[in-house]
Amino acid sequence: QAQLVQSGAEVKKPGASVKVSCKTSGYTFINYGISWVRQAPGQGLEWMGWISAYNGDTYYAQNLQGRVTMTTDTSTTTAYMELRSLTSDDTALYYCARDPGVTGSTYHMDVWGKGTTVIVSS
Amino acid sequence: QSVLTQAPSASGTPGQRVTISCSGSSSNIGSNYVYWYQQLPGTAPKLLIYRNNQRPSGVPDRFSGSKSGTSASLAISGLRSEDEADYYCAAWDDSLSACVFGPGTKVTVL
Repeated sequence: QAQLVQSGAEVKKPGASVKVSCKTSGYTFINYGISWVRQAPGQGLEWMGWISAYNGDTYYAQNLQGRVTMTTDTSTTTAYMELRSLTSDDTALYYCARDPGVTGSTYHMDVWGKGTTVIVSS
Repeated sequence: QSVLTQAPSASGTPGQRVTISCSGSSSNIGSNYVYWYQQLPGTAPKLLIYRNNQRPSGVPDRFSGSKSGTSASLAISGLRSEDEADYYCAAWDDSLSACVFGPGTKVTVL
């Protein structure tokens, strides 16, 4: 069965960068995309963007444009999300989720990772 | 401030029917599919309803979705204690070129 395993928790200082990984298994990686969603403590869900594992096309949320980069490695069936210039507002639980879209996000997120905690603190 | 609106909370007793609403606009719900996600305490979200009213395999038929114009609803019939969770609607917003989530509705079983 499809599974997404995310990297461990991170603590970063303001201004630093973080790169979260999402190792997939149990399905054909390039037939899907990966969406990234974050959730600040006690808050709701925020869609960050999507990447096609087929051709690397990306869509990013406007408020994160210029600070976020999503990539994939088809040889290891792993997706990555890098967020730069971190502030305390980026403290959140970051989820990756499988998305059937290969040419655009369908936001049909049917398999989720358990989440990666990122804490930004001086 | 989310572009989709949901009531912050809803409640019911076991066996009751609870309905959660999600209100949007012509650029999101009015022109795109609505999805619903369930988030049990301390866990990752789970896809509950897709394409307005379709249930993934394994989701009980107690859960049903509907959409009319720029609003959508999720109904939970035969409410059970394990349904206590946060429920989020989601839709693509053509103006933002992004997926947007509602703020979530916390369902409590009394």
